Amino acid sequence: AQSVTQLGSHVSVSEGALVLLRCNYSSSVPPYLFWYVQYPNQGLQLLLKYTTGATLVKGINGFEAEFKKSETSFHLTKPSAHMSDAAEYFCAAHNFGNEKLTFGTGTRLTIIP
Amino acid sequence: EAGVTQFPSHSVIEKGQTVTLRCDPISGHDNLYWYRRVMGKEIKFLLHFVKESKQDESGMPNNRFLAERTGGTYSTLKVQPAELEDSGVYFCASSPPGGGRNTEAFFGQGTRLTVV
Repeated sequence: AQSVTQLGSHVSVSEGALVLLRCNYSSSVPPYLFWYVQYPNQGLQLLLKYTTGATLVKGINGFEAEFKKSETSFHLTKPSAHMSDAAEYFCAAHNFGNEKLTFGTGTRLTIIP
Repeated sequence: EAGVTQFPSHSVIEKGQTVTLRCDPISGHDNLYWYRRVMGKEIKFLLHFVKESKQDESGMPNNRFLAERTGGTYSTLKVQPAELEDSGVYFCASSPPGGGRNTEAFFGQGTRLTVV
């Protein structure tokens, strides 16, 4: 069964610094991959997704992620953190043969002024 | 356009009581999903409706949970009787007809259920 691992349940970065949130998936066949963000008191919002084609995917709010098959990874990055990026981020994979998403445990991002 | 709406946003009930959560998907979205996040753990799939039919209910924890989607519009998730381990955030999501792995699922803000 597919599993998604997010290293680091809490990550803190200074405002203006690089944001790197890690995500690895388990399946030998690459799934479709997603990053969602949850701001306080809001629902999950899609940041970006990888399906096929270009392995570097750009999303909203300056985030991007790179799919690396050799590393079974889909890490999320942003060159310069902003205070408004403080939220919880979830990596997810679409299982083959059905419609459900498999999520990681989430990473709470704190931005230090 | 209204997004996915969930009611209530918070619910605190005693063990043994019944609680019903409601989800109103985006209009025209045939696919409706329920997910749950127990504190500190991953968001887990509960079930998937296509219109009023249950497509996949493999994630439902036990028979204390009952999901319905009468008429293929809004959905309810009833927990009866509630147990302490049912506490968590329940998310609803919907996606357009046709589905497929490339289709974005739109999530509601979740219902935080606390069983005391």
